[in-house]
Amino acid sequence: DTAVSQTPKYLVTQMGNDKSIKCEQNLGHDTMYWYKQDSKKFLKIMFSYNNKELIINETVPNRFSPKSPDKAHLNLHINSLELGDSAVYFCASSQDPGTYNSPLHFGNGTRLTVT
Amino acid sequence: SQQGEEDPQALSIQEGENATMNCSYKTSINNLQWYRQNSGRGLVHLILIRSNEREKHSGRLRVTLDTSKKSSSLLITASRAADTASYFCATGPETSGSRLTFGEGTQLTVNP
Repeated sequence: DTAVSQTPKYLVTQMGNDKSIKCEQNLGHDTMYWYKQDSKKFLKIMFSYNNKELIINETVPNRFSPKSPDKAHLNLHINSLELGDSAVYFCASSQDPGTYNSPLHFGNGTRLTVT
Repeated sequence: SQQGEEDPQALSIQEGENATMNCSYKTSINNLQWYRQNSGRGLVHLILIRSNEREKHSGRLRVTLDTSKKSSSLLITASRAADTASYFCATGPETSGSRLTFGEGTQLTVNP
């Protein structure tokens, strides 16, 4: 039983295209996140949603738009893809959005390659 | 600059040896967490240690926290080839609503 699942696992697309990554968690958590991991494995938070409401929005280009139809789903839509968007994107969830007293559960990532 | 910084960046040992990874951070924390990432996979939570704790164990893992030095260490005893992975520390903020900040990770290779 996959706790946090994201699709697709690989995404290869051309510059200028629009693409979406989907994420679902079956842990009953209220909080979901999108992280970006670059080629040096540095993980940077992009967005955080708590019970469908945006609570963290880092300095991310507005070409990136998260959407949370319900608290079990957090999708990421990217418009006008650029070469620099190539990275691995991770979805995660947790029970506690505040002081992070509970661990994050990560999906297996979506490797996005923009050509 | 990053909140959590791991040291060393890469570590290569033989099976059966112990592996120690260190993490330093800059601001006050509520807790510190360690995660493992196998190649091509997501991060997996290993241990969470709170700011009022000094040491925590889980199986072959031992984590220490020294808030006066703003540092933590992760010790893996009797390492196995399957322990080969990247290990990340992450600091949980004191302020509610802030961010969990990850370091750049230590790549551990355990040679059979």
